[in-house]
Amino acid sequence: QKEVEQDPGPLSVPEGAIVSLNCTYSNSAFQYFMWYRQYSRKGPELLMYTYSSGNKEDGRFTAQVDKSSKYISLFIRDSQPSDSATYLCAMSRGYQKVTFGIGTKLQVIP
Amino acid sequence: DAGVTQSPTHLIKTRGQQVTLRCSPKSGHDTVSWYQQALGQGPQFIFQYYEEEERQRGNFPDRFSGHQFPNYSSELNVNALLLGDSALYLCASSLATQGNEQFFGPGTRLTVL
Repeated sequence: QKEVEQDPGPLSVPEGAIVSLNCTYSNSAFQYFMWYRQYSRKGPELLMYTYSSGNKEDGRFTAQVDKSSKYISLFIRDSQPSDSATYLCAMSRGYQKVTFGIGTKLQVIP
Repeated sequence: DAGVTQSPTHLIKTRGQQVTLRCSPKSGHDTVSWYQQALGQGPQFIFQYYEEEERQRGNFPDRFSGHQFPNYSSELNVNALLLGDSALYLCASSLATQGNEQFFGPGTRLTVL
């Protein structure tokens, strides 16, 4: 079993839709949770960074962490074609190596 | 403010050869981590350098080695290349006190023939 599970998709949604992306994990020691966006053939770009459980909002993006269920989510409101990319969840214990999910490929259709 | 830079952008090598990839961290960052991302996969942690020493290492063989210089830049060396080493190699920089907030470079795409 992988430490971090993420559905690779692809996920296709119409422009303006609310997108929900999710990851589950098995290591209860994870404390830091991140979401990265990666465009094709580019490096990952940090979108959201959360410590422990709770919600964090930044513009159209909301990250949620539920440590009791070992489940994290990223919501994108009013999705745009420019949001089409692969979204990677990532997590770590303290200041240690970051473990990534496989990434979910998102396509927003105009 | 320059972000993380990596060189070269692309590289083609043959099996058995050796390769060196380079990374300059974001201004003000002192920690460099290297990742391997195979096609269709998430990045896999190779190792992390801080204060010119390897601080952590992932499940990669000794063929993968690195170095960090006094100016915080870093190199990744891979010896005896295998076909399976073909991947995007990503460098990420961070502050030692904020190790989880990592900023990635554009990567070096290595093809082993």
